[in-house]
Amino acid sequence: GEDVEQSLFLSVREGDSSVINCTYTDSSSTYLYWYKQEPGAGLQLLTYIFSNMDMKQDQRLTVLLNKKDKHLSLRIADTQTGDSAIYFCAESITGNQFYFGTGTSLTVIP
Amino acid sequence: GAVVSQHPSWVICKSGTSVKIECRSLDFQATTMFWYRQFPKQSLMLMATSNEGSKATYEQGVEKDKFLINHASLTLSTLTVTSAHPEDSSFYICSAREPVGNSPLHFGNGTRLTVT
Repeated sequence: GEDVEQSLFLSVREGDSSVINCTYTDSSSTYLYWYKQEPGAGLQLLTYIFSNMDMKQDQRLTVLLNKKDKHLSLRIADTQTGDSAIYFCAESITGNQFYFGTGTSLTVIP
Repeated sequence: GAVVSQHPSWVICKSGTSVKIECRSLDFQATTMFWYRQFPKQSLMLMATSNEGSKATYEQGVEKDKFLINHASLTLSTLTVTSAHPEDSSFYICSAREPVGNSPLHFGNGTRLTVT
């Protein structure tokens, strides 16, 4: 099956930038997504990027896609304590096939 | 934006009883919904794909008779955990997507099931 990998933990100081990385194996992905999960809640869609794009920026969030290396990253500028959560990357191959990463737990230190 | 509502948020039941979890798409029609299970500090595990008007497609290792899925309308899918046991205790999350192009998945807020 498809492998989507993320590092498990990341700690940053409040006000710094966070960069969460994701690698995937299937080059036929069409869209790649970032979701945020707070404790005891479902997943909230943060942003997504079409596979023929290199970068997408949405307020404090910047998504970079290196399709050659099959590498996706999410940069959160000016990280706040409310950003502490688990972040999942996901890719879709066809409309109904989604593969999720292992999740990165982001801790923001005040 | 697309909203998925899941109920209940949490439920505690005794061993041997059945529990029904509902997943609704509030402002769009979803011909397909997905049910996931999440263990503590782990990623999502896809259990089954719920198809409106037809049988659900279960992932390998998921017992069909244990986890009954019904998708009787374009806005509602239900997951019934039958004869629940403590090992069924988990966080169950549903998701749905608008049937347009490559629209993203939208998730419910999850249901914490505890079987005593």
